Amino acid sequence: RKEVEQDPGPFNVPEGATVAFNCTYSNSASQSFFWYRQDCRKEPKLLMSVYSSGNEDGRFTAQLNRASQYISLLIRDSKLSDSATYLCVVKQNSNYQLIWGAGTKLIIKP
Amino acid sequence: GAVVSQHPSWVICKSGTSVKIECRSLDFQATTMFWYRQFPKQSLMLMATSNEGSKATYEQGVEKDKFLINHASLTLSTLTVTSAHPEDSSFYICSAGSGLSETQYFGPGTRLLVL
Repeated sequence: RKEVEQDPGPFNVPEGATVAFNCTYSNSASQSFFWYRQDCRKEPKLLMSVYSSGNEDGRFTAQLNRASQYISLLIRDSKLSDSATYLCVVKQNSNYQLIWGAGTKLIIKP
Repeated sequence: GAVVSQHPSWVICKSGTSVKIECRSLDFQATTMFWYRQFPKQSLMLMATSNEGSKATYEQGVEKDKFLINHASLTLSTLTVTSAHPEDSSFYICSAGSGLSETQYFGPGTRLLVL
């Protein structure tokens, strides 16, 4: 079983739709959680951290369920510029090491 | 935010050549740097973790004699792919973290093509 698992994708959705990404992690001792986005042939960029109480940043909402070891990302009113691969990332200890999911590709169509 | 640079941004070389990639933190001191590799349509795979002034810690399956890492200062780490072969062709990305923040800052990556 992979340490961090994501929906395989790709997701093809029309502009303006709401998109939900799911992620599960296997290590219950995981401490920190993140969503990154990666554009084609570019480095990943931090989209948002995920907090236990859930957090929102504009059209983006992230939620964490520690009991189920589940993380989600919701994008509302999707834009063409949201097209990218979304990566679920988990940090397990204090030396910055990140465990990456395989990513889910999102394609927003006009 | 903090800036991390990588050089070169892309390399094309013949099989058997050694290639050095530099990773620099431009406006902060990076106590820890990470080297990742990403093959097409796959996620980032951590290759090694390096702390300034000490030997790098390599992930399982990564040959330390083939991928030489040097982290001689708080702003520079280098990855040397020795005797590169076509199967080493990949996207190599470094990231840097400082003691003041949990955030890792990523370099723009180096695309390596070995012919």
